Amino acid sequence: EPEVTQTPSHQVTQMGQEVILRCVPISNHLYFYWYRQILGQKVEFLVSFYNNEISEKSEIFDDQFSVERPDGSNFTLKIRSTKLEDSAMYFCASSDSQNSPLHFGNGTRLTVT
Amino acid sequence: LAKTTQPISMDSYEGQEVNITCSHNNIATNDYITWYQQFPSQGPRFIIQGYKTKVTNEVASLFIPADRKSSTLSLPRVSLSDTAVYYCLVGDHGYSGAGSYQLTFGKGTKLSVIP
Repeated sequence: EPEVTQTPSHQVTQMGQEVILRCVPISNHLYFYWYRQILGQKVEFLVSFYNNEISEKSEIFDDQFSVERPDGSNFTLKIRSTKLEDSAMYFCASSDSQNSPLHFGNGTRLTVT
Repeated sequence: LAKTTQPISMDSYEGQEVNITCSHNNIATNDYITWYQQFPSQGPRFIIQGYKTKVTNEVASLFIPADRKSSTLSLPRVSLSDTAVYYCLVGDHGYSGAGSYQLTFGKGTKLSVIP
């Protein structure tokens, strides 16, 4: 079964540094998402992306965050200047249509020190 | 987005059928009901989705009464590997026409399967 893959599985960075989290969605999917989960808390929506532009974003997704689909296969989340509170699991997801369930990757654990 | 309420935790013995009920009193006409499963340190995994009545797949059944204000996920004969958090989500599929679908996860139900 095709799956969403995310790299790296774990990223450690210092406060103030930029990080890029990478995702390869399922190949025929058109809708892409980023979610995050702080340890012990809920899975939170960050942003959705369709047709090469952001469709929706939450209040968490401020100016420090950006997303990009640099080529036909990758979908990236960039955090420009990381803060301690950005430490979380970041999940990428994709779907093939508006009515289809989301397929999630296994996440990148970001630790900001 | 419709708010959902589900039990915080449940325990079950191996081999038992487990039913997890979710309340969603303000579900909208266009909303679907979707259940996800999450193991520790993994992403949520789609289990089943429905709009009304009953849906069954190879892993679970979903029962939705006529008023759609609740739904029940049924896991037949659970095993230790079914220990996970189960999320009930209610959302609109593309009604906004914006080409996106924002899932709102609650706290889920932590199912513990006991040998």
